[in-house]
Amino acid sequence: QKEVEQNSGPLSVPEGAIASLNCTYSDRVSQSFFWYRQYSGKSPELIMSIYSNGDKEDGRFTAQLNKASQYVSLLIRDSQPSDSATYLCAVNIGAPGRYSTLTFGKGTMLLVSP
Amino acid sequence: GAGVSQSPRYKVAKRGQDVALRCDPISGHVSLFWYQQALGQGPEFLTYFQNEAQLDKSGLPSDRFFAERPEGSVSTLKIQRTQQEDSAVYLCASSLSLLREKELFFGSGTQLSVL
Repeated sequence: QKEVEQNSGPLSVPEGAIASLNCTYSDRVSQSFFWYRQYSGKSPELIMSIYSNGDKEDGRFTAQLNKASQYVSLLIRDSQPSDSATYLCAVNIGAPGRYSTLTFGKGTMLLVSP
Repeated sequence: GAGVSQSPRYKVAKRGQDVALRCDPISGHVSLFWYQQALGQGPEFLTYFQNEAQLDKSGLPSDRFFAERPEGSVSTLKIQRTQQEDSAVYLCASSLSLLREKELFFGSGTQLSVL
């Protein structure tokens, strides 16, 4: 079983709608969670990080974390065509107190139509 | 430099050829990571350096893959006797922090095509 799971999509939403991207992970020890955006042919760029249960908002983006359910999501409000990209969920896998590497999901492709 | 720099941007190799991919991280970043990203997949961890020490190479797919960072800055990923399954984008990332909660800054990657 892959450690970080995402629906590959594509997820299609009209401009102005809310896009909801979901991710589940298998390691209960994980403490840090990240959402990266990757445009086609480009490198991933960090858009959100979240470490505690609940919601974290940054502009049009809201990350939601539920450690009991091992679930993290990203909501994009007022979606724009420029948001069309692949969104990668990444999780720190490893024991607390030592370095750990990021494990990425396969990514969900988001398509926002004008 | 302002960001993580990787070269070459594209590399075409004949099967069996050796290749070397270069990564120049952000100045002062202690941690350096190599990831492999196949088409339609997320990045897969290859190896990790803390300064010049290679602390984790568990993700290297075979002994044909070798990475080094001799002076704790520039890193080179070498692939010997390339195979078609090595075709992928190789991403380098660096981070200032040693802590779990860290932001990775990625380079633009090297797209390797093995014919």
